[in-house]
Amino acid sequence: NAGVMQNPRHLVRRRGQEARLRCSPMKGHSHVYWYRQLPEEGLKFMVYLQKENIIDESGMPKERFSAEFPKEGPSILRIQQVVRGDSAAYFCASSPGPGGRIGNGYTFGSGTRLTVV
Amino acid sequence: DAKTTQPPSMDCAEGRAANLPCNHSTISGNEYVYWYRQIHSQGPRYIIHGLKNNETNEMASLIITEDRKSSTLILPHATLRDTAVYYCIVRVAGGHNTDKLIFGTGTRLQVFP
Repeated sequence: NAGVMQNPRHLVRRRGQEARLRCSPMKGHSHVYWYRQLPEEGLKFMVYLQKENIIDESGMPKERFSAEFPKEGPSILRIQQVVRGDSAAYFCASSPGPGGRIGNGYTFGSGTRLTVV
Repeated sequence: DAKTTQPPSMDCAEGRAANLPCNHSTISGNEYVYWYRQIHSQGPRYIIHGLKNNETNEMASLIITEDRKSSTLILPHATLRDTAVYYCIVRVAGGHNTDKLIFGTGTRLQVFP
């Protein structure tokens, strides 16, 4: 049973380009979460999605960032016109559903390290 | 807007218990306390969680004060492989409207021989 799969592991983009980060949740998980981690900081919530629905995007920057989780295929975090400040590690997590009573909660992937040059 | 505060770093001798404190004085009644750890910038890994009662699993114990304003993660017999950043986290899960982990800045635990 594969864990949460993220690709690519490392991504280099020039300023102004687009970055697409992909996340395949664990088998049987229908809830996906994206987090961003700046160097020497904790993770910051960005967005929570279920299949074909955005549930909470309160942590997403208002411009240039978007996320989707289609009926088929992985979840995609898209960053348009990247700037140097977007350089960070982006982690995806999945769970079978919300609520603190559910077992081990989230399972995180290994992350995508985005570098904007 | 972190809901938790932790000491930035701690040391522990191998084989001894590591006690990692966390303050979460603004936690709400239905919010859980979670602990994750992160090694070498890998993805965070779940350790334990709790609401009111103390919890124990094969990895650690979680002691939550009666007023729920603080907690302590206990690694009973620390090994060198336990060297990591440990995050004390509040999970905000409000029905079908949200479900998110609020991370603090973490404690960097160094286990030495």
